Amino acid sequence: DIVMTQSPDSLAVSLGERATITCKSNQSLLYSANNKNYLGWYQQKPGQPPKLLISWASSRESGVPARFSGSGSGTDFILTISSLQAEDVAVYYCQQYLNTPCTFGQGTKLEIK
Amino acid sequence: QVHLVQSGAEVKKPGASVKVSCQASGYTFTDYYMHWLRQVPGQGLEWLGIINPSGGVTTYAQSFQARLTMTRDTSTSTVYMVLNSLGFEDTAVYYCARAAGLGANIFPNWGQGTLVSVSS
Repeated sequence: DIVMTQSPDSLAVSLGERATITCKSNQSLLYSANNKNYLGWYQQKPGQPPKLLISWASSRESGVPARFSGSGSGTDFILTISSLQAEDVAVYYCQQYLNTPCTFGQGTKLEIK
Repeated sequence: QVHLVQSGAEVKKPGASVKVSCQASGYTFTDYYMHWLRQVPGQGLEWLGIINPSGGVTTYAQSFQARLTMTRDTSTSTVYMVLNSLGFEDTAVYYCARAAGLGANIFPNWGQGTLVSVSS
């Protein structure tokens, strides 16, 4: 199974400041046949299912605010929130979907400083 | 609009079985694979398995193969998950999630979750 590791485990950022979460996989998520990275990012708030923010490492889902962006390739990926809003307090997960079983990072808890 | 509605919370004793349903609407049921995942309270996400609603073919996570069964009913656009031989460690919220497309096992659509509590 592909192992996904996020850092940090928790993060406190001031409102309006940038938040950065990293995700590393123990093997490349770049599929050479289509040059796509099979990596997604989710946001989960208490009592709710995860919400998909980003697929293919950098493609923002419809309706997701532009302050959320994804970058990276191969084994190293980043989720950036450019200007933190109060409603962004949540746990964030990365997920690889190159191989079955799909696997998730352990999560990063984002709070307001 | 895609909608996935799961059955209600369950309380089971150790050794029992649980059946959770997930009724889909808003799209052609047989066109998208459905996955089941779970989340132990306060912990991360664990993938359990996948079912192709078209033919009923399933693939399970290795650690659940002996006690997990997924089925579907195309007449009601419903998928089912049965987990046998429950232990305390199976206490979790169980989710169904629809894949984004063929070869894209990422999940833009989730059910609301079903809490399964295993207690003596």
